[in-house]
Amino acid sequence: EVHLVESGGDLVQPGGSLGLSCAASGFNFSIYSMNWIRQAPGKGLEWISYISSSSKTIYYADSVKGRFTISRDNAKNSLYLQMSSLRVEDTAVYYCARGGGFGDYGAYYFDYWGQGTLVTVSS
Amino acid sequence: DIQMTQSPSFVSASVGDRVTITCRASQSISSWLAWYQQKPGRAPKLLIYAASNLPGGVPSRFSGSGSGTDFTLTISSLQPEDFATYYCQQANSFLLWTFGEGTRVEIK
Repeated sequence: EVHLVESGGDLVQPGGSLGLSCAASGFNFSIYSMNWIRQAPGKGLEWISYISSSSKTIYYADSVKGRFTISRDNAKNSLYLQMSSLRVEDTAVYYCARGGGFGDYGAYYFDYWGQGTLVTVSS
Repeated sequence: DIQMTQSPSFVSASVGDRVTITCRASQSISSWLAWYQQKPGRAPKLLIYAASNLPGGVPSRFSGSGSGTDFTLTISSLQPEDFATYYCQQANSFLLWTFGEGTRVEIK
């Protein structure tokens, strides 16, 4: 069974830094691309970052570009998100999510999600 | 970025009702659309992919349709466990991915 477990969420001051982790199990982590998606309190879903299976391709949403860094360690079945220059508007539950196209090269869906970890940016 | 617009934002319905939610893309996305279900305090769950395909384990009362810019999620007979918020997602792998604002389905 696929499991994704995020950790690292905390209360941090504006301008601060924080690192999140996502531990994966139940599937061959090294062949799947992965993502971070966040949800501000009472709001909708916002995709923020993608990393390919080999780490060769990385994308960011404009809202976090230059401040957040996604990475992975396939030997440890783990995904990471390093966040810096945090803003109040970065307050959200952060989910890691596995991605794939179900065999359709043109498509990309998020088929498994972790339970999320809460990041609160406040003074 | 492609904008995804869902309607309505809120639905009040009874068990056994037929519920329809629509999602419109700001430009054509072929059939590259997904629907997710999110219950309070829980992670989203993939409900439909490629506009009309159900992953294993999703009940057949859920169905999806549409292509291009207009899509529909239908719950044929609402069950107590279906009360949740539903999001559409444009899934074009050549673009960055965006979600609709969500439709909350509540008990009448």
